[in-house]
Amino acid sequence: DAGVIQSPRHEVTEMGQEVTLRCKPISGHNSLFWYRQTMMRGLELLIYFNNNVPIDDSGMPEDRFSAKMPNASFSTLKIQPSEPRDSAVYFCASSSTSGWVDTQYFGPGTRLTVL
Amino acid sequence: EDQVTQSPEALRLQEGESSSLNCSYTVSGLRGLFWYRQDPGKGPEFLFTLYSAGEEKEKERLKATLTKKESFLHITAPKPEDSATYLCAVGAGNNRKLIWGLGTSLAVNP
Repeated sequence: DAGVIQSPRHEVTEMGQEVTLRCKPISGHNSLFWYRQTMMRGLELLIYFNNNVPIDDSGMPEDRFSAKMPNASFSTLKIQPSEPRDSAVYFCASSSTSGWVDTQYFGPGTRLTVL
Repeated sequence: EDQVTQSPEALRLQEGESSSLNCSYTVSGLRGLFWYRQDPGKGPEFLFTLYSAGEEKEKERLKATLTKKESFLHITAPKPEDSATYLCAVGAGNNRKLIWGLGTSLAVNP
């Protein structure tokens, strides 16, 4: 069974360019989470969706970041314009909200480098 | 403020040398505590969920325990392939967000 799929795996771009990260959650999961991971701050939740609806975007750093989930099998995280401080590994995770607490399953991540 | 703290930050063991990693938490309304393993260049991989104080779970050389203030991940007779970063996260309150610790980087030397 396929896990969470993310693309691209690596992205190198120049400051000011637009970056789009993509995620396909596990089939049947109805919650999706976008995280950013750095050495200094660890895993930070940016935004999460439940049934394709954004529930909490309080972790989105600023207006340069936006996320969409047009259907149950696809989500994007867009950074425009990108800045060097956005360099990090971005993870997508999905879960099935069927119980008291959800187990999140992570994708392999996108390593973003902004020059 | 809800908080999760992991210690030590890094741990180096000899193969076969058992030890424990700690995850202490201060949250309101614990719903579950999660342990994940993360290898370099990969996403976190789920290991265990613990729901209430006194609960224990085991998987191969790993055993996780939970009290009202902290969780321990005991590693018995570790092997080099157990080298990874171990992350702890807590679910609390009425939302689906997890509060994450910064992890313990474990290196097991042959």
